[in-house]
Amino acid sequence: QLQLQESGPGLVKPSETLSLTCIVSGGSISSSSYYWGWIRQPPGKGLEWIGSIYYSGSSHYNPSLKSRVTISVDTSKNQFSLNLSSVTAADTAVYYCARLLRGIAARPNWFDPWGQGTLVTVSS
Amino acid sequence: QSALTQPRSVSGSPGQSVTISCTGTSADVGGYNYVSWYQHHPGKAPKLMIFDVTKRPSGVPDRFSGSKSGNTASLTISGLQAEDEADYHCCSYAGSHTLLFGGGTKLTVL
Repeated sequence: QLQLQESGPGLVKPSETLSLTCIVSGGSISSSSYYWGWIRQPPGKGLEWIGSIYYSGSSHYNPSLKSRVTISVDTSKNQFSLNLSSVTAADTAVYYCARLLRGIAARPNWFDPWGQGTLVTVSS
Repeated sequence: QSALTQPRSVSGSPGQSVTISCTGTSADVGGYNYVSWYQHHPGKAPKLMIFDVTKRPSGVPDRFSGSKSGNTASLTISGLQAEDEADYHCCSYAGSHTLLFGGGTKLTVL
């Protein structure tokens, strides 16, 4: 059974870079059928797609975050990572990683399964 | 890209049916049959309930159903049960390899 687990600091200072890693177990991150994605949920708000990556390293980002986001993949460790630079209090959220189906014409489709999520607070 | 529009809250009594709407545009919900729905109990991982507008993953009760008309997708839960109380989020493909979520709907079972 595929499982994903987020890890990283729970507290990041304003203007610094938020870095999280998602460890994938029970399956290979190198599957041709899936992307791997990051999603976040600020307190009291809805979910927001941050970006996705294919095992080859090809990535796509939310246009509203694109200038600050980098997602990378390490197939040797079966994990992928998120870097979000120049963070502010608005980036405080629960961050989730999830497997994302790569559908027809390589379009991203649905997320399943998800990690448990990790709360990242941006504060000095 | 603006978030898809969902009602902030809906409610129903056990045994009743409720429908949660998810409104977008022709560039997302209306343009593709790639709408998914997630059930989210606080503190837990979101769970896929519906994909490709109408399809249910294995293990999801058939009380959950999805549909779409124009730019609005809907999730209907029939025979409401106490354990259905949760937040529900819709998600749609929005072109150029991007995805868009709704603002989420809190379902209360009275």
